Amino acid sequence: QKEVEQDPGPLSVPEGAIVSLNCTYSNSAFQYFMWYRQYSRKGPELLMYTYSSGNKEDGRFTAQVDKSSKYISLFIRDSQPSDSATYLCAMSATTGGFKTIFGAGTRLFVKA
Amino acid sequence: DVKVTQSSRYLVKRTGEKVFLECVQDMDHENMFWYRQDPGLGLRLIYFSYDVKMKEKGDIPEGYSVSREKKERFSLILESASTNQTSMYLCASSLLFGELFFGEGSRLTVL
Repeated sequence: QKEVEQDPGPLSVPEGAIVSLNCTYSNSAFQYFMWYRQYSRKGPELLMYTYSSGNKEDGRFTAQVDKSSKYISLFIRDSQPSDSATYLCAMSATTGGFKTIFGAGTRLFVKA
Repeated sequence: DVKVTQSSRYLVKRTGEKVFLECVQDMDHENMFWYRQDPGLGLRLIYFSYDVKMKEKGDIPEGYSVSREKKERFSLILESASTNQTSMYLCASSLLFGELFFGEGSRLTVL
């Protein structure tokens, strides 16, 4: 079993839809939870960063962490064609060195 | 603005060649990382370094080595390239624990 599981998609939605992206994980030591966005032929860029449980909102993006269920989510409201990208969840712990573990990434297409 | 620069965006090498991938960051970050990215497998950590001349193996270090002679520069070396090392290689740096800044990637093809 992978430490971090993420549905690779692809996920195709119409412009304006609410998008839900999810990851599950198995290591209860994870405390830092991140979402990266990666456009085609580019490196990933940090989108959202959450420490421990709870919600965090930034514009049209909301990140949720449920540590009891080992489940994290990213919601995109009013999705735009420019949101079309691969979204990678990532997480890390203070133990085990400076390693960040990534999900496989979900490819999102937002159709105009 | 934060900047991680990978010297080569696209490389084509032959089996058995020695390959150097260079990465430079201008943010004075202590930590630097090399990942490879393959479809369906996501990003897998090859090596990381938390200080000059220090290095630690990641999850898939076999067939790779690294060098960090200066704080801003972290090199990935493939001593004898093989076809199964054809991949996208991503360098990253971080100051805060867990928050990574990535370069644009180096796509390596080994024939």
